[in-house]
Amino acid sequence: GNSVTQMEGPVTLSEEAFLTINCTYTATGYPSLFWYVQYPGEGLQLLLKATKADDKGSNKGFEATYRKETTSFHLEKGSVQVSDSAVYFCALKAGQGFSFIFGKGTRLLVKP
Amino acid sequence: DADVTQTPRNRITKTGKRIMLECSQTKGHDRMYWYRQDPGLGLRLIYYSFDVKDINKGEISDGYSVSRQAQAKFSLSLESAIPNQTALYFCATSDTGTGGRNTEAFFGQGTRLTVV
Repeated sequence: GNSVTQMEGPVTLSEEAFLTINCTYTATGYPSLFWYVQYPGEGLQLLLKATKADDKGSNKGFEATYRKETTSFHLEKGSVQVSDSAVYFCALKAGQGFSFIFGKGTRLLVKP
Repeated sequence: DADVTQTPRNRITKTGKRIMLECSQTKGHDRMYWYRQDPGLGLRLIYYSFDVKDINKGEISDGYSVSRQAQAKFSLSLESAIPNQTALYFCATSDTGTGGRNTEAFFGQGTRLTVV
């Protein structure tokens, strides 16, 4: 079946540190991959996406590359800010009906 | 105004009561979803609908039912609420696009439900 595994948090970083949140997936067929962000008290917002192998999604300084050979879609940012503190979800869309499957989320806390 | 609106935003109800959570959207999307979020478990799919006449169970549909009253409205019901249904519930929409594979989901603000 389809599944997403992402690193457990919380991840605590100092401002301006480098961020990596790992995400790997299993899927039937050829999935599209997404990163969503959830700020406190809010719903999920799309951060970036990639729809085919070797595509790089990017937004607000975050990047992730669709690696089909390693079934991975790791999220990176070169210099995090306090305002990046949130929960990050990796997700895929695949299979019959193309419903979304989410990872368990990774909480990021950035300290000044 | 939000594109995906959920009502109520917060609700406390008693065990055994019937409760309905409502979702409406102005995005014109054909696909709608209900998810449940629990700490440490991420988001789990309850039901999804690809049009008014198409309703499908997700991974955790037991104890829930849905109604797609119109393209823009998708309601989730708990027929007899129990405490382990206490959670944050999200409605989401997406467009079919080119077969549905590439399009992202848009989420409502969530409904925090507490069953006592």
